[in-house]
Amino acid sequence: DVKVTQSSRYLVKRTGEKVFLECVQDMDHENMFWYRQDPGLGLRLIYFSYDVKMKEKGDIPEGYSVSREKKERFSLILESASTNQTSMYLCASSPLDREAEQYFGPGTRLTVT
Amino acid sequence: LAKTTQPISMDSYEGQEVNITCSHNNIATNDYITWYQQFPSQGPRFIIQGYKTKVTNEVASLFIPADRKSSTLSLPRVSLSDTAVYYCLVNTGTASKLTFGTGTRLQVTL
Repeated sequence: DVKVTQSSRYLVKRTGEKVFLECVQDMDHENMFWYRQDPGLGLRLIYFSYDVKMKEKGDIPEGYSVSREKKERFSLILESASTNQTSMYLCASSPLDREAEQYFGPGTRLTVT
Repeated sequence: LAKTTQPISMDSYEGQEVNITCSHNNIATNDYITWYQQFPSQGPRFIIQGYKTKVTNEVASLFIPADRKSSTLSLPRVSLSDTAVYYCLVNTGTASKLTFGTGTRLQVTL
C-alpha cells in the first residue's frame, strides 16, 4: 500500500513564526502536492513538484514556499505564519503518468494564533 | 479548466445503490474523470478513474456517456461506512490543473 505520512497531525503556531510541514511518501512517486482545505472552499492546490528540486505554483502559492531535496520528501514552508493560514494542510503523491491518481496523507491541522 | 458540478448533498439508506452524477460540460478530448472519497479528518482517497463507457472496480462503478459531458459514480449497496464526501474531478492532463470542488456529502442511515 502507498503510504504518505505528514510530520504532525496538529500544530499550533504564533503569528510571524516560520513553519515547516513535512511530507514523506514511500512509493517512489515522481509527483508530490500540497493542498489546503477550508470549509466551503474544497481543496486548493498550493504547490506541486514533479521531480527533485522542481516545483510549480498551484492556485494559491502566496505566503508559501516548498522544498524538494529528495524524491520521497516534500516540505511546505510558511515563511511568516498569519492567522489566515489556519487550515488543514494535505500532502499527496502520484506516479508521473497518472497525476490524477493521488494518494493523500492524513493531513496537518495548523492553527495560527 | 473543465469545471464540474455535482449535488451538494445526498441521503441514502443502508443497502441501497447510490448514484452521484457530475456534470462537466466543457470536458476536453484528452481529459479523464476521477472520483475521490473523503472521510472526516482524513485525506481524500482515490476511488476510480475513467475515460468513456464504464469502469468497475471493487469499490464502485463509473458510467460515462458517449458525449462525456457527465459521469455517474455508482456505489452498490451502501453501508454506514460509506458516509463521506465524494469529489468529481476532470483531469486536464497536467498536475497543476487538478481542481477539487466542494464535493457531494453522502449521508447513509439505517
